[in-house]
Parts: sequence; C-alpha cells; structure tokens
Amino acid sequence: GAGVSQSPRYKVAKRGQDVALRCDPISGHVSLFWYQQALGQGPEFLTYFQNEAQLDKSGLPSDRFFAERPEGSVSTLKIQRTQQEDSAVYLCASSLVRGIQETQYFGPGTRLLVL
Amino acid sequence: AQKITQTQPGMFVQEKEAVTLDCTYDTSDPSYGLFWYKQPSSGEMIFLIYQGSYDQQNATEGRYSLNFQKARKSANLVISASQLGDSAMYFCAMRDDLYTGGFKTIFGAGTRLFVKA
Repeated sequence: GAGVSQSPRYKVAKRGQDVALRCDPISGHVSLFWYQQALGQGPEFLTYFQNEAQLDKSGLPSDRFFAERPEGSVSTLKIQRTQQEDSAVYLCASSLVRGIQETQYFGPGTRLLVL
Repeated sequence: AQKITQTQPGMFVQEKEAVTLDCTYDTSDPSYGLFWYKQPSSGEMIFLIYQGSYDQQNATEGRYSLNFQKARKSANLVISASQLGDSAMYFCAMRDDLYTGGFKTIFGAGTRLFVKA
C-alpha cells in the first residue's frame, strides 16, 4: 500500500524489557513524526525527523526513549527498560513538506502493553 | 504556551443533521496552522481539514468546514449532513512557529461524536 505502515501492530512486553517499534513512511516524505497516545487522550509529540536529521526530540519523556532514521526513510523508536507507564499507542506520521500546510499522514499505530 | 482545548468530551447528532465540534487554542505566535483529524475505532488518524492563521477565508473540504474566529482563538469544525460513518473521535491540533521552523504539533483531548440513525 501507499500509506504509512507500522510494525508490530501490538506488542506485549514485561517490565524491564527493551522494545523496538518500526515505522515505514510514505515514499518520498521528508518529515517523520512520532507520537505517544495514552488511552482516552490526544497524541503527544515525541520527536521529529527531517530526512535523517532528528531536529526535535523535546517530547521524548526520558533517556530510555531513543529514535533513529539512519537513511532518511524507515524509522525506529526504541524504548529501553520499559515501564508500565510506557503503555500506550505509538503513532508515526510522515509528511511531504508543502510550505506552511504540512499535512501529516498517520500510520495505524503500535499498541504497547507493558506488564 | 501552546494549548488546545476541546471542551466537549462527547457529542450526539442525528443522522443527516449538522454538528459543530468546538476547539479553542492559545499561542503567542502570529503564524500557525490548525488541523482537524478523525480517529475511528481502528485507531488511524485521518486528516480532515487545515486552516492557516493568515488565511482570509474559512477552510472547507466537502462536508467539513472550519469556523475560524481568529480574535476569539477558536477553530470549530462543522460537519454537515452527518453520516453513521462519522461516528469517531475528533481531534483539533495546532502547529505554530511556522516561519521559524517549529515542528511540534499539539493535539487537544478530543471529542467523541456519536451519530444516531
């Protein structure tokens, strides 16, 4: 398909485990965003990439969270030593910059449950 | 500080009627963009409509229109002729610092819309 894809769709981890969440953006999209969405809430910004450069990581909640996009396409969000409060849906979005109106296209998300 | 407020946790509308979902925002930047997204139960966020802070006219996209009142800092979404498939969560979002390269988009808490047959 031509949309943003994320894998896995569901992940159950034991507290203390490391997890890696993958995002495949729409081909050619320069911008890539990661968001965390807790149950019943709106998405919270985590980090932003422009090509391979991580230009904003101000939303990452702790140094256990790390994101990369080494070749400017696929991105991975890694969470080390997972905690129960990390349980959420992690959304990835990409956009093809068109001036001011940067419409973000979202993937289906990865639902992470930490036990 | 940036802030998006959606005061309606849930809304009901009769099929084929119009409904307005409220959104107010706060920013000190003169250049910003406002977005509305729909999130069905499947979880995927679907872009609906965009309004730029310098746009002179209210944005429209099919059955969706944005009632932009800049002085009041409100950007309400109007859905005309509601359909059963419109039942979903709706999020208002804002991105500011557009001309200075801001990247962060903030979202409101959302409004859950229920369309009744």
